[in-house]
Amino acid sequence: SQQGEEDPQALSIQEGENATMNCSYKTSINNLQWYRQNSGRGLVHLILIRSNEREKHSGRLRVTLDTSKKSSSLLITASRAADTASYFCATDSGAGSYQLTFGKGTKLSVIP
Amino acid sequence: DGGITQSPKYLFRKEGQNVTLSCEQNLNHDAMYWYRQDPGQGLRLIYYSQIVNDFQKGDIAEGYSVSREKKESFPLTVTSAQKNPTAFYLCASSTGQVVSGYTFGSGTRLTVV
Repeated sequence: SQQGEEDPQALSIQEGENATMNCSYKTSINNLQWYRQNSGRGLVHLILIRSNEREKHSGRLRVTLDTSKKSSSLLITASRAADTASYFCATDSGAGSYQLTFGKGTKLSVIP
Repeated sequence: DGGITQSPKYLFRKEGQNVTLSCEQNLNHDAMYWYRQDPGQGLRLIYYSQIVNDFQKGDIAEGYSVSREKKESFPLTVTSAQKNPTAFYLCASSTGQVVSGYTFGSGTRLTVV
């Protein structure tokens, strides 16, 4: 079952613009993570935010978490063509065994 | 360099054959996972293992089998019972702690011919 759902499914922006992707989930979580996947490759871990955190930064990435709304957003500032990829949110099961459930992803295209 | 290696990168299988996908990690991670990715469907969990000689079914285990005889290795066998095996298969590992992320391999694309 899919826990996280990303929105939008696809996003196209010009280089230099900011890109915002959203993730909604259904049940309580311990943490939420964002991953990036270049076409035909494996996923790369970008950032993790714990359930007691509201905002986290890493370089050009900013992640927010609103547990009351069961939602998270990933902001990429000053986008570059190299940011073109699919971005996935993932939530843990919070049920003892540590598994991640991934959403369907947002496909980001950054046009030079 | 530590990492996780999947092989082969591309695999072709005739209908009715079993095939085994390799996944090896040198990160000393306790937990390993297999996911299947289809276009537009995101990642779905097939099997996972938290310790050697133990593994659990994920959401779509039917038609697949795994083993975990060594900490470093978690091979996935796609059996002839899997009705629609053509997909991109991803292996991942983690420390098994809640606050760590997953490290993924580069994937194996399986095509049934």
